[in-house]
Amino acid sequence: QVQLQESGPGLVKPSETLSLTCTVSGGSISSYYWSWIRQPPGKGLEWIGYIYYSGSTNYNPSLKTRVTISVDMSKNQFSLKLTSVTAADTAVYYCARHAPGPYDYWGQGTLVTVSS
Amino acid sequence: EIVLTQSPGTLSLSPGERATLSCRASQSVANNYLAWYQQKPGQASRLLIYGASSRAAGIPDRFSGSGSGTDFTLTISRLEPEDFAVYYCQQYGTSPRTFGQGTKVEIK
Repeated sequence: QVQLQESGPGLVKPSETLSLTCTVSGGSISSYYWSWIRQPPGKGLEWIGYIYYSGSTNYNPSLKTRVTISVDMSKNQFSLKLTSVTAADTAVYYCARHAPGPYDYWGQGTLVTVSS
Repeated sequence: EIVLTQSPGTLSLSPGERATLSCRASQSVANNYLAWYQQKPGQASRLLIYGASSRAAGIPDRFSGSGSGTDFTLTISRLEPEDFAVYYCQQYGTSPRTFGQGTKVEIK
């Protein structure tokens, strides 16, 4: 059974960089797309971007200038960096897997609060 | 980007009743690439339906999806206690992928 687990700081200061890692267990990171999705408190889900295991990426245009997603196949992990954060970036951040299709596995999510 | 509008925002029903959830797209969803997910607090979201009407592996047949183009429906034929949750539709036919704002199915 494939499992995804997000990890990283739960509190980030305004203007700093949010960094999260998703660890994949029970399966290889190869041959799939790996996404980050977020959900601000009381709001809906927003796709942030994805990386293919080979390293190619696609980002949401609304966040493109601030987002970097990378993959570490040796650790079966992929990561998110979001720069210049503000309170509007406070959200539960999820990682998820997909083939060229829907998200078939999700992490449980991790809350990141942007506050000084 | 494609905007997905779900209705109603909240559905109050009793176990055993039928739930009908709607998802309307601002433009046609390419290839009817529309999925439905179930979300419960503290748990990983679960894929229920993909391609508008195909059930994901292990999903009970009380869950069914229908629709095409811009109008889609998720039906839960008889609600079980474990079905009370938030449900999201999502289109993956056009980038950026987008989600609806969710429908909460609560116990009446």
